[in-house]
Amino acid sequence: SQQGEEDPQALSIQEGENATMNCSYKTSINNLQWYRQNSGRGLVHLILIRSNEREKHSGRLRVTLDTSKKSSSLLITASRAADTASYFCATDAGSGNTGKLIFGQGTTLQVKP
Amino acid sequence: DGGITQSPKYLFRKEGQNVTLSCEQNLNHDAMYWYRQDPGQGLRLIYYSQIVNDFQKGDIAEGYSVSREKKESFPLTVTSAQKNPTAFYLCASSMTRAGELFFGEGSRLTVL
Repeated sequence: SQQGEEDPQALSIQEGENATMNCSYKTSINNLQWYRQNSGRGLVHLILIRSNEREKHSGRLRVTLDTSKKSSSLLITASRAADTASYFCATDAGSGNTGKLIFGQGTTLQVKP
Repeated sequence: DGGITQSPKYLFRKEGQNVTLSCEQNLNHDAMYWYRQDPGQGLRLIYYSQIVNDFQKGDIAEGYSVSREKKESFPLTVTSAQKNPTAFYLCASSMTRAGELFFGEGSRLTVL
């Protein structure tokens, strides 16, 4: 079962614009993570946000978490062509602290130069 | 350099054959995971292990088997019972339970 669902499935923007993608989940979490995947490669960790945190920043990335709505958003500011990739959220939702991490379907971001 | 190594990168299999994908990490991580990714899709969890000699089924374990005899190694066997094995397989490890995952570069399996 997929706990995380990203929205939109695909996003195309111009370089310099901001990109926002959202993730929703179904049950309570301890943390939520965002990952990036370049085509045909492994995933790279971007940010982990804990259930008691509301916002976190890392460089041009900003992640928010709303546990009442069971949703998170990833904002990439001043996007670059090199940001073109797929972005996934992952949660331990419903794992009962077993360490099970479930990924969403991902958002494919294209940044046009 | 520390990291996760998956091999082979590409693998072709005839129907009815078992194949084993290797995953080795030198990060001293306790937890290891196997995910399957189909084209344009997200990752689906096959098996995961939090400690040596122990592992749990994920959401799509049927047709797969794993072992965790050593902390650094978590091989995945795709058996002939897996009806649609053509996919991209990703191995990952983490220092803590459900913590940040470090991924290998993946193994692409094609059934001929």
